[in-house]
Amino acid sequence: EAEVAQSPRYKITEKSQAVAFWCDPISGHATLYWYRQILGQGPELLVQFQDESVVDDSQLPKDRFSAERLKGVDSTLKIQPAELGDSAMYLCASSPALNTEAFFGQGTRLTVV
Amino acid sequence: GQNIDQPTEMTATEGAIVQINCTYQTSGFNGLFWYQQHAGEAPTFLSYNVLDGLEEKGRFSSFLSRSKGYSYLLLKELQMKDSASYLCAVRVSGNTPLVFGKGTRLSVIA
Repeated sequence: EAEVAQSPRYKITEKSQAVAFWCDPISGHATLYWYRQILGQGPELLVQFQDESVVDDSQLPKDRFSAERLKGVDSTLKIQPAELGDSAMYLCASSPALNTEAFFGQGTRLTVV
Repeated sequence: GQNIDQPTEMTATEGAIVQINCTYQTSGFNGLFWYQQHAGEAPTFLSYNVLDGLEEKGRFSSFLSRSKGYSYLLLKELQMKDSASYLCAVRVSGNTPLVFGKGTRLSVIA
């Protein structure tokens, strides 16, 4: 069964360091999302891609966060510098079209110390 | 802004039926989704409603009333493995990402 792949699964980093997460969506899925989920809360959108283009990054803290999907397939989310408040689960999701359900990866649990 | 409300926690007994409610106030509506999320795992898709009424899928059913901004997820014949968080999410328009509620943590007890 096709899955959204994310790595690493867990990451511990010191504040002010840089950290990067990788996501490989289900093959053929044009839409890719990065969500952040704080423990006990629902996922909140950071950025949405349609192929290689950013559709919505209004909630992305652009002073420290960046995201790219250069070839319209896999994607990288970067944080530089990391802050204590960035500790959360970072979820990647993909969907075959804009108006369908999203399929989530296992997530990267980030702890900033 | 978009507002989606669900109870924070619920407890139910194995073999029983539980209903998890979700109310939403959003600037538009193009579908409501329910996801299940076990602790430390990814959310997995359960159901989708875009028209009023009940959608049934095995032990899980989801209901939507667009005029009331209301949905519920019904779980029958509860099993211990149903202990998880249940996330209600709304698609505000055709090309926008899902907006999630904070989730309802369900505990199934013997």
